[in-house]
Amino acid sequence: RKEVEQDPGPFNVPEGATVAFNCTYSNSASQSFFWYRQDCRKEPKLLMSVYSSGNEDGRFTAQLNRASQYISLLIRDSKLSDSATYLCVVSNSGYALNFGKGTSLLVTP
Amino acid sequence: DAGVIQSPRHEVTEMGQEVTLRCKPISGHNSLFWYRQTMMRGLELLIYFNNNVPIDDSGMPEDRFSAKMPNASFSTLKIQPSEPRDSAVYFCASSLSTGEDGYTFGSGTRLTVV
Repeated sequence: RKEVEQDPGPFNVPEGATVAFNCTYSNSASQSFFWYRQDCRKEPKLLMSVYSSGNEDGRFTAQLNRASQYISLLIRDSKLSDSATYLCVVSNSGYALNFGKGTSLLVTP
Repeated sequence: DAGVIQSPRHEVTEMGQEVTLRCKPISGHNSLFWYRQTMMRGLELLIYFNNNVPIDDSGMPEDRFSAKMPNASFSTLKIQPSEPRDSAVYFCASSLSTGEDGYTFGSGTRLTVV
């Protein structure tokens, strides 16, 4: 079983919609959590860290549920520019990041 | 800051040839990581260095792969001999030791072995 699991999608949503992605991780000792964004044929870029208390950055909200070992990302008021692959990332050691395979989002006009 | 710099951006080589990928981390970052990305397997950690010392190379697929970090500003990943199944995008990333702020990735090297 892969350490970080995500629904690959694709999620096709209209502009302005709200969309949510979930991700589960297998190691209960995991310490740090992130969401990365990867555009087609580009490198992954850090979108936001995920904190136990939940955190928000503009239209993006991340939540962590340690008991159930899942992480979520909510995108409100989707923009065309949000189209990308969203990678769920978990760190067990504080050094090496384990990446999910990503969830593909396509926002349509 | 120029970010993490990788070269070459693209590499096409014949099976059996030696391939060397290069990476310059962000100045001041003391952790460096090599990842490989394929459609089938996603992003896989190959090796990471802390203060130029290899810490975990358990992800290196086999003896054909080797990585070095001779100083804080340069690392190489070498494949010898290359095989078609090595075709992938190879990313280098760097971070501060704590990793609390995530990593910064380079633009990657797209390797095709024919």
